[in-house]
Amino acid sequence: QQQVKQSPQSLIVQKGGISIINCAYENTAFDYFPWYQQFPGKGPALLIAIRPDVSEKKEGRFTISFNKSAKQFSLHIMDSQPGDSATYFCAASMVSGAQKLVFGQGTRLTINP
Amino acid sequence: DVKVTQSSRYLVKRTGEKVFLECVQDMDHENMFWYRQDPGLGLRLIYFSYDVKMKEKGDIPEGYSVSREKKERFSLILESASTNQTSMYLCASNPTGASGNTIYFGEGSWLTVV
Repeated sequence: QQQVKQSPQSLIVQKGGISIINCAYENTAFDYFPWYQQFPGKGPALLIAIRPDVSEKKEGRFTISFNKSAKQFSLHIMDSQPGDSATYFCAASMVSGAQKLVFGQGTRLTINP
Repeated sequence: DVKVTQSSRYLVKRTGEKVFLECVQDMDHENMFWYRQDPGLGLRLIYFSYDVKMKEKGDIPEGYSVSREKKERFSLILESASTNQTSMYLCASNPTGASGNTIYFGEGSWLTVV
């Protein structure tokens, strides 16, 4: 079963616009929620992450919004640039132990110039 | 910088062949992982290891085995490759502990089984 559900599968945004990707999780024991960015031919790389004790985390143009009661979190990319075109994965894990990540299905983001 | 190296980037194997995918990390991480990436399914955990000679099944272990004889090296083995194992395989590692949440990935191994 898919413990983390991600939408949309693909997204096209104009340069300068806001890109929004959503994720929902089921396991209330998850307490770490990262987003990974993957460029073609490369492995995923950590972009930004949040713990459930805060509702929002911002790093530059990237913001995670977290809603614990709804078990949802989202990635917002402000002023989207062509260089942001990549596949984005949300994930969830528990901080303790080996921190195995459970991934969403991925979103292919295209920023049109 | 953490480096996770997957020695084989592109492989083509025949059905029934035994396949070895090798992964080495250079940061003395305790935990190592093998994921499989397929379009529309995201990354799915095959096996992980939290110490030398220790391993645990992930979500999709069927048809795979692993070996971890040294801390820095984690191998994925397909005992008898099948066409449904055509995929991209990602190795990853991270350290144990509260600061170890970041998982570092290799660049992937594209396996085609014909």
